[in-house]
Amino acid sequence: QTVVTQEPSLTVSPGGTVTLTCASSTGAVTSGHDPNWFQHKPGQAPRALIYGTNTKHSWTPARFSGSLLGGEAALTLSGVQPEDEADYYCLLYYDGAGVFGGGTKLTVL
Amino acid sequence: EVQLVESGGGLAKPGGSLRLSCAASGFTFTDAWMNWVRQAPGKGLEWLARIKSKSHGGTAIYAAPVKGRFTISRDDSKNMLFLEVNSLKSEDTALYYCTTDLSHWGQGIVVTVSS
Repeated sequence: QTVVTQEPSLTVSPGGTVTLTCASSTGAVTSGHDPNWFQHKPGQAPRALIYGTNTKHSWTPARFSGSLLGGEAALTLSGVQPEDEADYYCLLYYDGAGVFGGGTKLTVL
Repeated sequence: EVQLVESGGGLAKPGGSLRLSCAASGFTFTDAWMNWVRQAPGKGLEWLARIKSKSHGGTAIYAAPVKGRFTISRDDSKNMLFLEVNSLKSEDTALYYCTTDLSHWGQGIVVTVSS
């Protein structure tokens, strides 16, 4: 079974920069996996941030960016704000079926 | 404004069946590829299934762990999405989300499987 792996937790200071990564058990992540990124806060529905590796939705703040980095998908937050504290999930597609990563709990401290 | 409203959740018994519904509005439902995602208590998000628009064949694809037990379907005449879950297990206890192409999400509906 395919496994998508993310850092379980990361801590960043307000105003800092942090990169979250998303690895595939099948090998290098490519644009063909159509990486998506989501932000999820307690009691709320998940919010889509990035699709197609690096395309932002109209509501995605400019400080969020997606990329491919060293065979993994990456989500970089530059100039982190306190409200960015949340769980972040990546999703990769394999022959049309999606697989979420386990999520990264981002703490802003 | 895109709106997705799930219904049909609640308490169900192991081995039983449940049909979740999602009422969609604010976008052209017939053109949309729709998905179901769930989150079990204390766990992460789990992608379950996707159904294409009729113009793209209307075909469905499922996550390996639920294939054969879950059925996603749509009624374009009523702007409705469905998820039928059979042979319910305690592990199906979760908050179930209806989403478009994963860009817009409903608030979710709770399913609890317990005897």
